[in-house]
Amino acid sequence: LAKTTQPISMDSYEGQEVNITCSHNNIATNDYITWYQQFPSQGPRFIIQGYKTKVTNEVASLFIPADRKSSTLSLPRVSLSDTAVYYCLVAPAENTGFQKLVFGTGTRLLVSP
Amino acid sequence: SQTIHQWPATLVQPVGSPLSLECTVEGTSNPNLYWYRQAAGRGLQLLFYSVGIGQISSEVPQNLSASRPQDRQFILSSKKLLLSDSGFYLCACSSGTGSFHMNTEAFFGQGTRLTVV
Repeated sequence: LAKTTQPISMDSYEGQEVNITCSHNNIATNDYITWYQQFPSQGPRFIIQGYKTKVTNEVASLFIPADRKSSTLSLPRVSLSDTAVYYCLVAPAENTGFQKLVFGTGTRLLVSP
Repeated sequence: SQTIHQWPATLVQPVGSPLSLECTVEGTSNPNLYWYRQAAGRGLQLLFYSVGIGQISSEVPQNLSASRPQDRQFILSSKKLLLSDSGFYLCACSSGTGSFHMNTEAFFGQGTRLTVV
């Protein structure tokens, strides 16, 4: 499994755009990149997933360069409720076999007024 | 989509007592199931995963065991709890039937906060 590296913590203010970058230098051809969000005392929840280029949904955007050795989660105009831990996860597509979901330490985002 | 039921939400147990945490899944069949533990302020540690009934894989040596007696039931157990078993335990599932070129998301339960005293 590709190992991921993220910043331990980030600080931001309400209304700003936040970009969290994850490094995964050993990503394999059939690996997908998924980001999860976890609030205190809750289980993580899925935010976004991508394979290459750019993916956007109603919550965030995910930018993946051509070499796929890193990815950036972009949260537009964060609010206080975006304060959470964000995990980057790399795992193979399910049709290639069982995907063991190994989470890293995540990035703790603190949004201040 | 899948729904994970996990109970109890909180549990305080004395050292040396047994443990049984249960997780059930709705909305899917033949899911991949996972048990994670999270220490205070730390990341998620994968403890066990299962790809089918009776099939359990352990990630780390520990005082815990897991069982999957039914397709959508996953149980975490211990015969004698240690202080170091305290933590936030999360059950998760992924569908196991993702389409080609896709990686389906994992769904998590609400967790059980275990305090061993």
